[in-house]
Amino acid sequence: QKEVEQDPGPLSVPEGAIVSLNCTYSNSAFQYFMWYRQYSRKGPELLMYTYSSGNKEDGRFTAQVDKSSKYISLFIRDSQPSDSATYLCAAGGSGNTGKLIFGQGTTLQVKP
Amino acid sequence: EPEVTQTPSHQVTQMGQEVILRCVPISNHLYFYWYRQILGQKVEFLVSFYNNEISEKSEIFDDQFSVERPDGSNFTLKIRSTKLEDSAMYFCASSYRTGDDTQYFGPGTRLTVL
Repeated sequence: QKEVEQDPGPLSVPEGAIVSLNCTYSNSAFQYFMWYRQYSRKGPELLMYTYSSGNKEDGRFTAQVDKSSKYISLFIRDSQPSDSATYLCAAGGSGNTGKLIFGQGTTLQVKP
Repeated sequence: EPEVTQTPSHQVTQMGQEVILRCVPISNHLYFYWYRQILGQKVEFLVSFYNNEISEKSEIFDDQFSVERPDGSNFTLKIRSTKLEDSAMYFCASSYRTGDDTQYFGPGTRLTVL
C-alpha cells in the first residue's frame, strides 16, 4: 500500500468553481501535512501546512485534515485560470528527520 | 523574500560520468534535503542533512550518491557514476527546524544522462 495516495486527475473545472483535492495516507505516525503547487518543470511551491486535525484557511485556500480517517483535503474557492497547476500533498513527521512523503499529484485545469 | 537557489538549471552528462548538483539553501535554515522527480512520477525523498551529517537516506540514495556542505552557504549532491535511470529533476529543500517545520524547495536541476 502506498503511504500517500492521490488521484492524479486531470481535473478540469470552469473559472469560479470550488475545487476539492484529496489525499489519503496509511501511516498513522505522520504528524504534519503540506500542500504544494507545482507548475510544469518547476519546483514545488508551498501553499499550506497543517499540523493537527481540523481546518486551516489562507485566502482562497482551505486545508483540512482528518487524522481519524487519514484523509487530507485542499479546497480552492473562486478558482482562477492561474490556479492551473499540479497540486501535491505531502506528509511528514513519522521520524524526526524532516522526510516528506509525496502523493502522485493532481493536475488541475481551470478554464476561463 | 528568501529563496532556495539551484545550479545548473539543466545538466547533460554521459553515462558513467560524475555530476555535482549545487544548492544554496535559505540563509538561516539548518536542515537540508534532496528530492528527485522522474518525469511523470511523484517527488521522492533522497536524503536529509543536519549538522554536517546525514539524518536519513532513502533506498535510492546508494553508494553512488553523496552530499556535502562544503562551506556555510552551499549544499551539494554528487552522483559518482551516473546511470540512465538517474535522469530526473533534482530538488533541494531547506527548513529552519525539522519536525513540524515547512520545507522550501528550489527550482530544481534537470539532469539528463545520455
